Amino acid sequence: SAVISQKPSRDICQRGTSLTIQCQVDSQVTMMFWYRQQPGQSLTLIATANQGSEATYESGFVIDKFPISRPNLTFSTLTVSNMSPEDSSIYLCSVRPRENIQYFGAGTRLSVL
Amino acid sequence: GQNIDQPTEMTATEGAIVQINCTYQTSGFNGLFWYQQHAGEAPTFLSYNVLDGLEEKGRFSSFLSRSKGYSYLLLKELQMKDSASYLCAVMDSNYQLIWGAGTKLIIKP
Repeated sequence: SAVISQKPSRDICQRGTSLTIQCQVDSQVTMMFWYRQQPGQSLTLIATANQGSEATYESGFVIDKFPISRPNLTFSTLTVSNMSPEDSSIYLCSVRPRENIQYFGAGTRLSVL
Repeated sequence: GQNIDQPTEMTATEGAIVQINCTYQTSGFNGLFWYQQHAGEAPTFLSYNVLDGLEEKGRFSSFLSRSKGYSYLLLKELQMKDSASYLCAVMDSNYQLIWGAGTKLIIKP
């Protein structure tokens, strides 16, 4: 199994500011993902964090709004930039160490005022 | 397009059995996952099926029929702590996970 440490666990931010979420894994993994989950809804993939290269973003998500770093195989950050109340959500880091399993961090609960 | 369908909500009684269905239409198939998610928590892995048939793991079993694009999660001897959302996800030909909207399971005493 892979143990994921994600922080902060929650934050309340002002409109127009930025928040960086960190994800640390206890083992090296190639596949690392960032998801968003609105209350009562399922998971939406924001991007795949690629080590040593730019992240691959899904439709509706752009690098300027959600810059991602992946400096090595155990760590990644997601920044939510120029926040608005619509960005209030749970953000989840996830890793896939093998094809048949994917683990999630505990999530970051973000509220934007 | 790609689509995963599962019931929005189900109710069952403590000690009983419940079956949560999932049907899918995806571009290719590289396995189907079931996750449990308690309110306010991250999803936790329950099962992975890539071949047809039933996989049993304690009180939980998962079934897959690739020809029918169908899976179910079977929960036996229900406990109050099983109250949660259950998410079905299919890995497509690009190894992307396509997620269902989740089934909220309510267990009553």
